[in-house]
Amino acid sequence: TQLLEQSPQFLSIQEGENLTVYCNSSSVFSSLQWYRQEPGEGPVLLVTVVTGGEVKKLKRLTFQFGDARKDSSLHITAAQPGDTGLYLCAGELGRGSEKLVFGKGTKLTVNP
Amino acid sequence: GAVVSQHPSRVICKSGTSVKIECRSLDFQATTMFWYRQFPKKSLMLMATSNEGSKATYEQGVEKDKFLINHASLTLSTLTVTSAHPEDSSFYICSASGWGLAGGSQTSTDTQYFGPGTRLTVL
Repeated sequence: TQLLEQSPQFLSIQEGENLTVYCNSSSVFSSLQWYRQEPGEGPVLLVTVVTGGEVKKLKRLTFQFGDARKDSSLHITAAQPGDTGLYLCAGELGRGSEKLVFGKGTKLTVNP
Repeated sequence: GAVVSQHPSRVICKSGTSVKIECRSLDFQATTMFWYRQFPKKSLMLMATSNEGSKATYEQGVEKDKFLINHASLTLSTLTVTSAHPEDSSFYICSASGWGLAGGSQTSTDTQYFGPGTRLTVL
């Protein structure tokens, strides 16, 4: 059973389009992280959200943590080919546990 | 941000041999290190958590005698895949969390910084 459901699994869009990636769970997380991973490399942390309802912006990327801390979304505005990659969400189950549960990832391709 | 390195980046070995993978935190003290395994087109699966100076805690289903983890210092953890078989071929990624001043900013104990991964191929 996948603790964190990520959708969509694959997404191919044209440059300039907007997109949203979702991360859902029935479990409550003390924090949730979003990572981006390139082929053959380790994940790179984009953002950490901690408070229910929290919204964080990173240039064209907007991250939101659900009020109940069970879900999160990543919205990209005016996607560019450089945004292509695997986006992973990961939740920390217990505060201070440091153990992360990863979603399966969303493979995003932005075509020029 | 904090930097974590892994060595080697790629390794090919014969079935039955052992392979050691190193994970180093370059500019901060890693009190905890994590080892993950990632299959093609799959997500990261946590194998074990290790704290400096103590035995690693393995996740359910991970053989501790096959995947030996040593975290002897605050900057180095090693994963040894013993008697490797083709089914052990995978992408192994470590991460580290800890404290210290890295890259001009204070690292957080809650944040995991990931290494670049090691591609293991067992023939």
